Amino acid sequence: GEDVEQSLFLSVREGDSSVINCTYTDSSSTYLYWYKQEPGAGLQLLTYIFSNMDMKQDQRLTVLLNKKDKHLSLRIADTQTGDSAIYFCAETYAGTYKYIFGTGTRLKVLA
Amino acid sequence: EAQVTQNPRYLITVTGKKLTVTCSQNMNHEYMSWYRQDPGLGLRQIYYSMNVEVTDKGDVPEGYKVSRKEKRNFPLILESPSPNQTSLYFCASSARGGRTETQYFGPGTRLLVL
Repeated sequence: GEDVEQSLFLSVREGDSSVINCTYTDSSSTYLYWYKQEPGAGLQLLTYIFSNMDMKQDQRLTVLLNKKDKHLSLRIADTQTGDSAIYFCAETYAGTYKYIFGTGTRLKVLA
Repeated sequence: EAQVTQNPRYLITVTGKKLTVTCSQNMNHEYMSWYRQDPGLGLRQIYYSMNVEVTDKGDVPEGYKVSRKEKRNFPLILESPSPNQTSLYFCASSARGGRTETQYFGPGTRLLVL
């Protein structure tokens, strides 16, 4: 089955690290993604990871994938107020061009 | 400027009155897709298209139709809208639908069905 779950809210202080978590149920996922949605805007791709990787780092962003537990996380180092947004994880899997998105996590960064 | 445009941005309609939300991209992308966003449910894919005249169902296609007669346009049609189709709709496109490609999203269309 296809189901991607995230916690709804996360609040952090400016300068701290944020960790946004995602769990998925389809073990045949091939690519997993993190998207950012700022207020009143569409989604913007932040990063992605292939399912045979454990970790990917891109500047302040670190993605960790635990395939055994079907757990994906996004760590944002030195979180800034401009990082306040809704973050969605998403997956695709072999044999399809469908995208399955999570419920989204609203990140609020406190000054 | 490379972009995905949607029209209208806001729409209020009544149950049963057919409507079309247009989506256009100027990037010569082959892959286009429609999503709806609802609180607590995230984004759910309605339909997608791999190229002209090639469309396929996403997770929630019931009550929607699409067509892809030209590469740049991918309209979403609600033949008989119902209140449960009140939502925020996004169109997106990518070059070939490859999994490492960025999907570019439109600004969204907020639909209210009374």
